[in-house]
Amino acid sequence: AQKITQTQPGMFVQEKEAVTLDCTYDTSDPSYGLFWYKQPSSGEMIFLIYQGSYDQQNATEGRYSLNFQKARKSANLVISASQLGDSAMYFCAMRRSGGGADGLTFGKGTHLIIQP
Amino acid sequence: DAGITQSPRYKITETGRQVTLMCHQTWSHSYMFWYRQDLGHGLRLIYYSAAADITDKGEVPDGYVVSRSKTENFPLTLESATRSQTSVYFCASSDLANQPQHFGDGTRLSIL
Repeated sequence: AQKITQTQPGMFVQEKEAVTLDCTYDTSDPSYGLFWYKQPSSGEMIFLIYQGSYDQQNATEGRYSLNFQKARKSANLVISASQLGDSAMYFCAMRRSGGGADGLTFGKGTHLIIQP
Repeated sequence: DAGITQSPRYKITETGRQVTLMCHQTWSHSYMFWYRQDLGHGLRLIYYSAAADITDKGEVPDGYVVSRSKTENFPLTLESATRSQTSVYFCASSDLANQPQHFGDGTRLSIL
C-alpha cells in the first residue's frame, strides 16, 4: 500500500521568502509518480508539479521546484519568492506508474499562509 | 472550452434518497476518477475507470455506484445516502499514468 505523510498541518511565511513544504512517502513499487496540488480557498485543485521516480533531475515549474530525495523517500515542494496568492492548502500525492488506472494517494495537506 | 465539468456544484438531500453526481470531460482522457474530501483525511479515492465499461473500486467504495457507458461521462451514484457521505466530491481525469490528473471544481454534498 502507498502512503503519503505531510507533517506540517500549517505554516506561516513572510512574503517574498522561500518556503519548503515537506512530503515523505512509502511504497514498494519501483515505478511511481509524485505530484503536488494547490487548493486555494475557492476549492479547486490545481496541479503544480510532477516528478517521476526514475527522473534524474529535480522537477521545476516556474517558482515551484521539487526536492526529490529517493533514498529518503521525500519529495518536498519549494516555492521561491512567495506571494500572497500562494496562500492555500497544498497536497502531496503519488501514483503507481505501472498498472494504468490507479488513482492518486494524497497526504492530508499543509495549510500555507503568506503574511505581508 | 475543453475541460472537466461537475454538476451540481451544491446539493442538499435527505438520508435514504438516491443522488447522482455528474462528471463530464471533453479531453477524451481514458482515465477518470472520483474522490471525496473530508477534513482530516485529505482526498480519498472512491472509484476509478480506465476506459468505457471498465471501472474498479478505490479506497472508500462502500455506498457508491459508478458507470461509464461513454468515455466522456463518469457519474457517481449514492444509492441510499447516509450522513457520513456528506463531503466534497471531486471528479478527475488523466490521459496516461504519469500524467497529472485534472480536477473538476467539486460538488459539495450535504445529507441531512
